[in-house]
Amino acid sequence: EVQLVESGGGLVQPGRSLKLSCAASGFTFSNYYMAWVRQAPKKGLEWVATISTSGSRTYYPDSVKGRFTISRDNAKSSLYLQMNSLKSEDTATYYCARHYGYNHWYFDFWGPGTMVTVSS
Amino acid sequence: IQLTQSPSLLSASVGDRVTLSCKGSQNINNYLAWYQQKLGEAPKLLIYNTNSLQTGIPSRFSGSGSGTDYTLTISSLQPEDVATYFCYQYNNGWTFGGGTKLELK
Repeated sequence: EVQLVESGGGLVQPGRSLKLSCAASGFTFSNYYMAWVRQAPKKGLEWVATISTSGSRTYYPDSVKGRFTISRDNAKSSLYLQMNSLKSEDTATYYCARHYGYNHWYFDFWGPGTMVTVSS
Repeated sequence: IQLTQSPSLLSASVGDRVTLSCKGSQNINNYLAWYQQKLGEAPKLLIYNTNSLQTGIPSRFSGSGSGTDYTLTISSLQPEDVATYFCYQYNNGWTFGGGTKLELK
């Protein structure tokens, strides 16, 4: 059974940093592109970052480019999101999600999410 | 590509045929998926590539469309279908629609 479990969320002040983690199990982690998707309270979904199977390629929307860094450790089946210079608009539930495959860019499995609140 | 979902709120009765719409600002080339999100839960994949049903999803869910206009249909609404539904395009970038909240009348 595919499982994705996020951790690391919490309350952080504006301008500070936070690192999220996602532990994957039930599939060969190194074979899949992985992503982070967020959802602000009572809002829609926003793709935040994607990383290739080896970690050599990363992709971001303009809203987080230069502030967020996605990374992975295939030996540990873990995905990470380093978030720097946090803003109030980054407040959201952050989901770890698996891309089905290369050129099949929909997300087929999601974790339950971890909440990040940016506030002074 | 921007996605516009309509309506934003839909009230229907058990057994109704329900249709949700998703319109793209550009051609999506059928690279469209639908997700169901129940309150307090993560999104769940229902449909991918416009009309392919994800494993384990009931056959009352179906998808259709082409170009810029896509539809999710629930053939006979069940109480457990109460949720918010999001469309998602992966033809050019990766973007979600704003969602349609489906409630029971």
